[in-house]
Amino acid sequence: SYELTQPPSVSVSPGQTARITCSGDALPKQYAYWYQQKPGQAPVLVIYKDSERPSGIPERFSGSSSGTTVTLTISGVQAEDEADYYCQSADSSGTSWVFGGGTKLTVL
Amino acid sequence: EVQLVESGGGLIQPGGSLRLSCAASGFTVSSNYMSWVRQAPGKGLEWVSVIYSGGSTYYADSVKGRFTISRDNSKNTLYLQMNSLRAEDTAVYYCARESKGYGMDVWGQGTTVTVSS
Repeated sequence: SYELTQPPSVSVSPGQTARITCSGDALPKQYAYWYQQKPGQAPVLVIYKDSERPSGIPERFSGSSSGTTVTLTISGVQAEDEADYYCQSADSSGTSWVFGGGTKLTVL
Repeated sequence: EVQLVESGGGLIQPGGSLRLSCAASGFTVSSNYMSWVRQAPGKGLEWVSVIYSGGSTYYADSVKGRFTISRDNSKNTLYLQMNSLRAEDTAVYYCARESKGYGMDVWGQGTTVTVSS
């Protein structure tokens, strides 16, 4: 079955830039989405269609795509950004959704 | 206000059945893609199933043949019928609205399903 691969953890100091990658063979053909999840809360969409930001999401969140890898970038990381981040996309048929394993962002 | 509220979770024995509900307000369920996503204790998100606005349904391999997604347009409610439950189905189950191409932009608070004897 199709898989998306994320690093388990990323650590940055406040004010620095965090980059979280997500790799999958179908990513050149399918859009990627990113979700933020804090403990005990439902996920929140932070990026859609690889690089678009929903209303209400701070400008420091951005997304990019290159080949089989998509990247979530958080510029000027704040303490409140500490959370788990998940990428999501579809397989090549477009009928099966998949989430990456998640990346725990730690703000030092 | 756009909102999703899940219900129906609980403790169930292996092999049993349970039906989850997801009541929507502020938008029309049948006009959107609607998904179920689950999260086992201490684990990541796992997509379970989706129903398209046109009615087509798709499932993760892990639940295919055991779970059925449906909706009641008159009640503006999404359902997940879960049969032949296993211990590995233990999770918080979320429903989510998916505006086609725009991602899962509205989520419920989740309902907990525990499969144990």
